[in-house]
Amino acid sequence: GDSVTQMEGPVTLSEEAFLTINCTYTATGYPSLFWYVQYPGEGLQLLLKATKADDKGSNKGFEATYRKETTSFHLEKGSVQVSDSAVYFCALSSGGTSYGKLTFGQGTILTVHP
Amino acid sequence: NAGVTQTPKFQVLKTGQSMTLQCAQDMNHNSMYWYRQDPGMGLRLIYYSASEGTTDKGEVPNGYNVSRLNKREFSLRLESAAPSQTSVYFCASLDRGLIQPQHFGDGTRLSIL
Repeated sequence: GDSVTQMEGPVTLSEEAFLTINCTYTATGYPSLFWYVQYPGEGLQLLLKATKADDKGSNKGFEATYRKETTSFHLEKGSVQVSDSAVYFCALSSGGTSYGKLTFGQGTILTVHP
Repeated sequence: NAGVTQTPKFQVLKTGQSMTLQCAQDMNHNSMYWYRQDPGMGLRLIYYSASEGTTDKGEVPNGYNVSRLNKREFSLRLESAAPSQTSVYFCASLDRGLIQPQHFGDGTRLSIL
């Protein structure tokens, strides 16, 4: 079945540091890939997505590229801010008869200090 | 501009009690989902409803039942709560057929003593 593996957390950075959160996946067919973010006390919000190989999703300074050859979708940001402190989830949807179901990674807690 | 609304936001139950978690969406979406979130495990799908009138099991359905009451509402019922069901529960919706993100509610934090 489908699965998503994220790097172990938590991750603690200083403001303006470079961020990478690794994500690899196993799926049948050609899944769509997502990064969701969860701020304290809130539900999940879509951060970015990519629907086919070599697509780059980007939003709010975050980027991730769909790498089919390495089955990866790593999240990066060049300069993090305190306001980026949150939990980040990598997820995939296999499409077709999956009816939009999402398979999530375990989440990575990011804390950014001033 | 409500999106997906879940009630209640918090609940404490005793083992063996029953409870229904409510979810409603105002975006005219076809598909709805229930997930549970546990530390270190991400979100896991409990049940989903691809369209009004249909429901199917997800990854962790044991101990739960669901009802797709109409296109807007999708409820999750715990018939006899167990401590292992202590979790944060999220409802989500999606407009079927489109590569779009799921829209999530703010969650229900459920503790079972």
